[in-house]
Amino acid sequence: QVQLQESGPGLVKPSQTLSLTCSVSGGSISSGRYYWSWIRQPAGKGLEWIGRIYSSGSTNYNPSLKSRVTISVDTSKNQFSLKLSSVTAADTAVYYCAREDYSDYVEVGYFDYWGQGALVTVSS
Amino acid sequence: QSALTQPRSVSGSPGQSVTISCTGTSSDVGGYSYVSWYQQHPNKAPKLVIYDVSKRPSGVPDRFSGSRSGNTASLTISGLQAEDEADYYCCSYAGGYTFAFGGGTKLTVL
Repeated sequence: QVQLQESGPGLVKPSQTLSLTCSVSGGSISSGRYYWSWIRQPAGKGLEWIGRIYSSGSTNYNPSLKSRVTISVDTSKNQFSLKLSSVTAADTAVYYCAREDYSDYVEVGYFDYWGQGALVTVSS
Repeated sequence: QSALTQPRSVSGSPGQSVTISCTGTSSDVGGYSYVSWYQQHPNKAPKLVIYDVSKRPSGVPDRFSGSRSGNTASLTISGLQAEDEADYYCCSYAGGYTFAFGGGTKLTVL
């Protein structure tokens, strides 16, 4: 059974960089089958896809966040990470990491395993 | 990339059926067969209930079904049970290797 666990500071100051790590157990990121995503949810609001990474390091980002987002992978630690720069109060949210599986050669699909979520508050 | 449109809330009595719609455009819902649905209980992570428009993951009851017509996808829950009360989100591939989510629908079991 695959499990994902987010970790990182729960409080970040405005204009600074938010950093989170997702640790994966029960499966290897380097197996190459899946993509690994970050998704966030402000309190009382909907989900927003942030971006994804493949084991090779290839990334795709939400165009609305692309200028501020970096997702990286460390296959030796079976982890992937999120950095979001120049944060404001609007970036306050629960941040989820998730595994993306897919059904065909297009390699886009659905999020079948999720972490429990990490609340990050942006405040001075 | 815009959010997909879902009704804010729907409701139904136990045993009844409810349908939640998810409206997008030909650039997302209508253009690709990569629509998924997620169930989220309060303070919990989302759970996949439908993928690729109409496929059910193992372990998800067959009371959950998905469909699509044009630019609108739908999730139908038949034989409503109390435990189905949750928020439901649709998600679609939006081209350029990006994804869009709907705003979410709160399902109340009366």
